[in-house]
This record gives sequence, C-alpha cells and structure tokens, in this order.
Amino acid sequence: QKEVEQNSGPLSVPEGAIASLNCTYSDRGSQSFFWYRQYSGKSPELIMSIYSNGDKEDGRFTAQLNKASQYVSLLIRDSQPSDSATYLCAVPYDYKLSFGAGTTVTVRA
Amino acid sequence: ETGVTQTPRHLVMGMTNKKSLKCEQHLGHNAMYWYKQSAKKPLELMFVYSLEERVENNSVPSRFSPECPNSSHLFLHLHTLQPEDSALYLCASSQESGTDIGYRQYFGPGTRLTVL
Repeated sequence: QKEVEQNSGPLSVPEGAIASLNCTYSDRGSQSFFWYRQYSGKSPELIMSIYSNGDKEDGRFTAQLNKASQYVSLLIRDSQPSDSATYLCAVPYDYKLSFGAGTTVTVRA
Repeated sequence: ETGVTQTPRHLVMGMTNKKSLKCEQHLGHNAMYWYKQSAKKPLELMFVYSLEERVENNSVPSRFSPECPNSSHLFLHLHTLQPEDSALYLCASSQESGTDIGYRQYFGPGTRLTVL
C-alpha cells in the first residue's frame, strides 16, 4: 500500500471556480500534513501545513483534515491561471517526509 | 529564491563519466536532503544528512555517492550512471529540532540530469 495517494489528474477547472484536490495516507499515527506546489520546470514549494482536524484557511487556499478517515484535501477558491501547477501532498512516514505523486491542475482562462 | 542553490542546473553525461552535483543552503538549517524526481513518479528520497551525519540511505545504488562536508553544503557524486538515472535531482534543507525531523523543507531549483 502506498504511503500517500493522490488523484493524478489532470484536473481542469475554469477560472474563478473551486479546485478540489484529495489525498489519503496510510499511517494512522501521522500528525502533520503538508501541501507543496510545483510549477512546471520548477522545484516544490510549501504552501500549506495542517495539524488539527478541520479546516485551515490561507488566502484562497483551504486545507481540510480528517484524521479518522486518513484524508486531507486542498481547496483552491477563485482559481486563477497562475494556480496551474502540480500539487504534492506530503505526510511524515517512518521519520521522513513521504510525497504523493501529485495532482496536476490546469485553470482555463 | 528559497535560499537553496544547486549547480549545475543542467547536466548531460555519458555512462562512463564522473560528475558531481552541488547544493548550498543559506538558511542556517541543520538537515539536507537529496531527492530524485522522475516523470509521473513521487519524489524519491535518496539521502538525508542531519548535523552532517548521514541518517538515511534508502537503498540507493552505489553509483550515487553523497558527501556533506558541513551543514551548508551537500554534494552528490555520480559515476557509471545508467540511462534510467536521467531525472531531476532536487536538494532540500530543513531545520530539525530534538527528535522531530524537519518536515518543512525548502527545495533548490534542481539539476536536470540526462545520461546518454
């Protein structure tokens, strides 16, 4: 079983819509969760972290965590063409950070 | 700029060549990492150095040899690579505290490696 799984996409959304990205993880004891954004040809950059069940909002981004379901999601509200990128979910596993394969998002103008 | 630099940005090498990748972090972090990123695959952790000591090897082939002379510099020495080693190699750094590994990682721009 993969440690971190994401829908690979691609996910295409019109400009102004909400993009919803999902991530599931296998380690029930995980306590911290991260979302990285990677533009094409660039390196990943941390955009969100969440540690408690519920929602965490940062600008147009909202991370949602449900530890009972081992599920973390990222919502991008009012999607912009500049949000077009691959989003990587990362969860600590066995004392290292385990990344999902990423979901590629394309925002159509 | 994340405060982590990598050189070279692009590298083409033959299978018999020896080359080295360099990473430098200007963030005062105490842990550094090498990752391999291949198309359509998750980031693969290759090596971790914490306080200049290697703490993770991850079953990487011996044709990849890391070196961490101090907390700011990290090298990846390459020799007799295979075409399937062609990938983006990313360096990252983080700050560890106590028993907590640094999960907030800052990545360099990467080296795009092509092995002919």
